[in-house]
Amino acid sequence: AQSVSQHNHHVILSEAASLELGCNYSYGGTVNLFWYVQYPGQHLQLLLKYFSGDPLVKGIKGFEAEFIKSKFSFNLRKPSVQWSDTAEYFCATRTNAGKSTFGDGTTLTVKP
Amino acid sequence: IAGITQAPTSQILAAGRRMTLRCTQDMRHNAMYWYRQDLGLGLRLIHYSNTAGTTGKGEVPDGYSVSRANTDDFPLTLASAVPSQTSVYFCASSDSAGTGESPLHFGNGTRLTVT
Repeated sequence: AQSVSQHNHHVILSEAASLELGCNYSYGGTVNLFWYVQYPGQHLQLLLKYFSGDPLVKGIKGFEAEFIKSKFSFNLRKPSVQWSDTAEYFCATRTNAGKSTFGDGTTLTVKP
Repeated sequence: IAGITQAPTSQILAAGRRMTLRCTQDMRHNAMYWYRQDLGLGLRLIHYSNTAGTTGKGEVPDGYSVSRANTDDFPLTLASAVPSQTSVYFCASSDSAGTGESPLHFGNGTRLTVT
């Protein structure tokens, strides 16, 4: 069975601080990895995804994530956060059979 | 604009009543999903459909039913609502159920309160 663990439930940062949100997954087979963002009052949107190739993937709005296979991790990073990055962030896996599993989410609050 | 439309946006429902949440997509995606989002629990899959005419149960299917008569529509029905079904419901789709590389596209959600 798949599982996704996001270690930080709520992160509070000041603007311009660096961000790293942890995500670990467990699954014995091939998985595809995603980060979604949910801005207040909105639906989830794709931030970035990884399924093969360069383990460092870049997404929208300056976000990036690194896939480390040996650690079963796919941490999300951003060098300098903005107030507009305040949102909830979800890490997710998806098997090649199409089954998705989401983490519980991390709420990021950026103070202006 | 292509995407997923959910209706209603929000609803207050008396316990015991029947309710259908509507979901329509115009992207011709094969696979569609219903999730519920609850604080601290993330997103949990209720039901899914890999293609028109087929449906399957997710993690938390009890008390819900779905149908997939065509590619575009995937309604979720609560036959007899209970307070524990108070949640935000998201419909999602992807262009292929059998390819894990396809991301999910989400609707704007329906906030349901069962009193």
